[in-house]
Amino acid sequence: EVQLLESGGGLVQPGGSLRLSCAASGFAFSTYGMSWVRQAPGKGLEWVSGVSGSGVGTFYADSVKGRFTISRDNSNNTLYLQMNSLRVEDTALYYCAKRGGAARPLDYWGQGTLVTVSS
Amino acid sequence: DIVMTQSPDSLAVSLGERATINCKSSQSVFFSSNGKTYLSWFQQKPGQPPKLLIYWASNRQSGVPDRFSGSGSGTDFTLTISSLQAEDVAVYYCHQYYSTPWTFGQGTKVEIK
Repeated sequence: EVQLLESGGGLVQPGGSLRLSCAASGFAFSTYGMSWVRQAPGKGLEWVSGVSGSGVGTFYADSVKGRFTISRDNSNNTLYLQMNSLRVEDTALYYCAKRGGAARPLDYWGQGTLVTVSS
Repeated sequence: DIVMTQSPDSLAVSLGERATINCKSSQSVFFSSNGKTYLSWFQQKPGQPPKLLIYWASNRQSGVPDRFSGSGSGTDFTLTISSLQAEDVAVYYCHQYYSTPWTFGQGTKVEIK
């Protein structure tokens, strides 16, 4: 059974940093691309960042480019999102999601971890 | 960036009736090299993560009831719930993964009339 468990969220002041983690199990982690998708309170879905199975290819939304860094540790089946220079508008529930394979969309999602940026 | 626009923003349908949600992309999401359309549909119930319903515009994800169907091509797509059930109350999102940044529609809230 595929499981994705996010952690690392919390309350941080504007300009601060957080590192989110996503522990994956139940599938061949290094084979699949992974993404982070966020959802601000009461709002829709926003794709934040993605990474290829090998970790070589990384992709970002313009809203986080230069501030967030996605990475993965395939030996420990863990996905990360390093978030620096956080802004109030980064407040959201952050989901980790697994891609279904080449040409496939995100097929499994975690329950999310809440990031609140506030002074 | 590819903009995804859904209509309507919300709709109320009687139990057992058909619900139809439309999605338009600002450019084609058809990948000619493999013949696949990089358009999917998600269902999100309150307090839950999104659930994949449809991929490649019309392929039903494993385990999804057959009352859910997707159609369309190029830039115009439709999600149809053929006979609305109480458990289908949710927000539905279309999503393109043809090019980064991947984008979602704004969501359509489906309720019972």
